[in-house]
Amino acid sequence: QKEVEQDPGPLSVPEGAIVSLNCTYSNSAFQYFMWYRQYSRKGPELLMYTYSSGNKEDGRFTAQVDKSSKYISLFIRDSQPSDSATYLCAMIPYNNNDMRFGAGTRLTVKP
Amino acid sequence: IAGITQAPTSQILAAGRRMTLRCTQDMRHNAMYWYRQDLGLGLRLIHYSNTAGTTGKGEVPDGYSVSRANTDDFPLTLASAVPSQTSVYFCASSPGLAGNTGELFFGEGSRLTVL
Repeated sequence: QKEVEQDPGPLSVPEGAIVSLNCTYSNSAFQYFMWYRQYSRKGPELLMYTYSSGNKEDGRFTAQVDKSSKYISLFIRDSQPSDSATYLCAMIPYNNNDMRFGAGTRLTVKP
Repeated sequence: IAGITQAPTSQILAAGRRMTLRCTQDMRHNAMYWYRQDLGLGLRLIHYSNTAGTTGKGEVPDGYSVSRANTDDFPLTLASAVPSQTSVYFCASSPGLAGNTGELFFGEGSRLTVL
């Protein structure tokens, strides 16, 4: 079993839809949780970062962490064609350099 | 602002050949990393360096070596390439430990095909 599991999709939604992306993990040492966005043939870029259970909102994006269930989610409201990309969840223990990534979910938002 | 520069962008290599992927950053970040990205497996850490002069092994270090002679450069060497090393390689950096900020700054990637 992988340490971080993420449904690779692909996921296709109409413009304006609410998108839900999810990851599960097995290592209880993970303390920090991130979502990266990766456009085609580009490097990943940080979208959201959180270090506690609960919700964190940034514009149309909400990151949710449930440490008791070892489950994290990213919600995208009012999705736009420009949101079409691969979304990678990532997590890391405290004071550590070995960030672990999910396989990534490819999202397409159709106009 | 350049950030992270990787070279080459793409390369086809015969098995058994030696190859060095170059990575340079201009952000004066202490930590640097090499990841490989494969379909269905995501990004996996190959080697990292917390500061100039030090390096460490990541999740998949076998067949790769790195050096960190100065803050800006972090080359990745494949001593004798094998087909299983066909992948997209990303160099990344962070100001301090990745776990302290969660943010890695990535380059554009180097696509390597080993035949």
